[in-house]
Amino acid sequence: SQQGEEDPQALSIQEGENATMNCSYKTSINNLQWYRQNSGRGLVHLILIRSNEREKHSGRLRVTLDTSKKSSSLLITASRAADTASYFCATDAWHSNDYKLSFGAGTTVTVRA
Amino acid sequence: NAGVTQTPKFQVLKTGQSMTLQCAQDMNHEYMSWYRQDPGMGLRLIHYSVGAGITDQGEVPNGYNVSRSTTEDFPLRLLSAAPSQTSVYFCASRPSRVWEREETQYFGPGTRLLVL
Repeated sequence: SQQGEEDPQALSIQEGENATMNCSYKTSINNLQWYRQNSGRGLVHLILIRSNEREKHSGRLRVTLDTSKKSSSLLITASRAADTASYFCATDAWHSNDYKLSFGAGTTVTVRA
Repeated sequence: NAGVTQTPKFQVLKTGQSMTLQCAQDMNHEYMSWYRQDPGMGLRLIHYSVGAGITDQGEVPNGYNVSRSTTEDFPLRLLSAAPSQTSVYFCASRPSRVWEREETQYFGPGTRLLVL
């Protein structure tokens, strides 16, 4: 079953605006990761936040993690047309004999020029 | 480095046919995995391997077989394709040894499979 669930499912914004998407999960995690997928392509890792971290930045990306609420948010500031993609959160947790990533269904972001 | 490569990019099968999706990585990663992506479902883990000779089932393993004879290759086999296996398949890899554990997974470009 999916561990992470993103909200909203789809987001349309004007170029230059900020885009915020949220991820909720169900069980304890080792870390939470965000990936981007351009149409017809594979997933590309964006940023990782560990369970003992609350906020992390990478360029125009800002990720927060609230383990008490089992939720995370991804903020993309000053969006560009090239940010149009699907964004997935993935929770890294121990299952059976190794760590596994569980993905949510994703948020589709469209940035209008 | 080529990273993670997958072949073919696109395949059409008839129900009952068999095929093998190829995956290779040149990063000497021990951990490799196969996911399928369906609309509105995100990625679901099919099978994974923590090293050569070791494989295990993921969330949706039925209808798929895997083997891992080398560190580099991790093929996914469909023995008797069904329309429900129409999907996009992604292979991924990462190191898994504790002392150099890296949590980020590296994904291949995907294989689009249509089963008629």
